[in-house]
Amino acid sequence: DAKTTQPNSMESNEEEPVHLPCNHSTISGTDYIHWYRQLPSQGPEYVIHGLTSNVNNRMASLAIAEDRKSSTLILHRATLRDAAVYYCILRVLSSNTGKLIFGQGTTLQVKP
Amino acid sequence: DAGITQSPRYKITETGRQVTLMCHQTWSHSYMFWYRQDLGHGLRLIYYSAAADITDKGEVPDGYVVSRSKTENFPLTLESATRSQTSVYFCASRTPSGGRANEQFFGPGTRLTVL
Repeated sequence: DAKTTQPNSMESNEEEPVHLPCNHSTISGTDYIHWYRQLPSQGPEYVIHGLTSNVNNRMASLAIAEDRKSSTLILHRATLRDAAVYYCILRVLSSNTGKLIFGQGTTLQVKP
Repeated sequence: DAGITQSPRYKITETGRQVTLMCHQTWSHSYMFWYRQDLGHGLRLIYYSAAADITDKGEVPDGYVVSRSKTENFPLTLESATRSQTSVYFCASRTPSGGRANEQFFGPGTRLTVL
């Protein structure tokens, strides 16, 4: 499975945009890019996913580099509730199991 | 309650004892997963199941046994618990196809301590 690299931690101020980077230089053409987050003392929750094009949903936006070797999760207005560990994960398109291989993630702190 | 639940939420046991962690989902999702989360390791996949009576190993299956006689339940058993199995255990499920097939739904976790 291809690996991802994320910064260990980031800080943001409340109500400001946050850009969480992820490098995946060994990504293959069949790998989806997934983002999950884990709030304190909870299980992970799905945030967004994409393959080649940028994606938007109610939680966030995902910007994917043209060469697909990196991506950025964008939280448009951070709130205190967005403080969590954010995981960038690659999932093989052809894999029916949908197995997720979690890395260390980025711990996001949001300051009031 | 709708969703995915785990029981117990907290468990303390002793080395050598058998422990079973329960996972129940109400969506009739085909796929179910067990992960463990330890400090410094993130989440690691233990076992997964594609359907009732179909299970397969993940990254760290040693010391664990699973079964899936019903679609909605996926128990995880530690046959002889060891201290290294002290961890937080998460169960998850997902649909096999369609748009939401990309999304895994996680339970609240079971914190297991082996003394």
